[in-house]
Amino acid sequence: DAGVTQSPTHLIKTRGQQVTLRCSPKSGHDTVSWYQQALGQGPQFIFQYYEEEERQRGNFPDRFSGHQFPNYSSELNVNALLLGDSALYLCASRLYRDRAYEQYFGPGTRLTVT
Amino acid sequence: DAKTTQPPSMDCAEGRAANLPCNHSTISGNEYVYWYRQIHSQGPQYIIHGLKNNETNEMASLIITEDRKSSTLILPHATLRDTAVYYCIVRVEGDYKLSFGAGTTVTVRA
Repeated sequence: DAGVTQSPTHLIKTRGQQVTLRCSPKSGHDTVSWYQQALGQGPQFIFQYYEEEERQRGNFPDRFSGHQFPNYSSELNVNALLLGDSALYLCASRLYRDRAYEQYFGPGTRLTVT
Repeated sequence: DAKTTQPPSMDCAEGRAANLPCNHSTISGNEYVYWYRQIHSQGPQYIIHGLKNNETNEMASLIITEDRKSSTLILPHATLRDTAVYYCIVRVEGDYKLSFGAGTTVTVRA
């Protein structure tokens, strides 16, 4: 059973460019969340998608947008990249078990903005 | 979400139990305590969660005080592979997001 997968592994972009990151959830999971983790900090919640809709959003600007496809995979898009967008971007899918949710994280995409 | 307080770092000897404390004095009755860990350059890994009863699984045990204002994650026999940042998180049932703090950097030494 494959876990959460993300692509690409690493990416280098220039300020002002746009980037698309991809995520496939763990088999049987229908909800995908995205997190941003700056160096030396804990992950910060960007948003979550369920049934192809954004269900909850963290404190991130509209430059960050997403999409979920019918097969539950998801994309994270970031427009007008800033140097501060350099981070590890994590995708997580979740399972409801024991009356609570467990989230399973992918390995992340390391984005560097120069 | 209720805030959590964890020590920034701790060391543990290989083979010994590691006890990781977490304070969550403002926790609400419908908030669960979750523990995740993140090994260097990997995504966070779920360890365990609980509401008010002590919990145990193949990775760890979670001890929650009776007033639910603090908890302890116990790694019964720490190995070098348990070196990681450990995050204690409280979350309302049904809430989507996990609010990560700075966590505790645990270093297991041979």
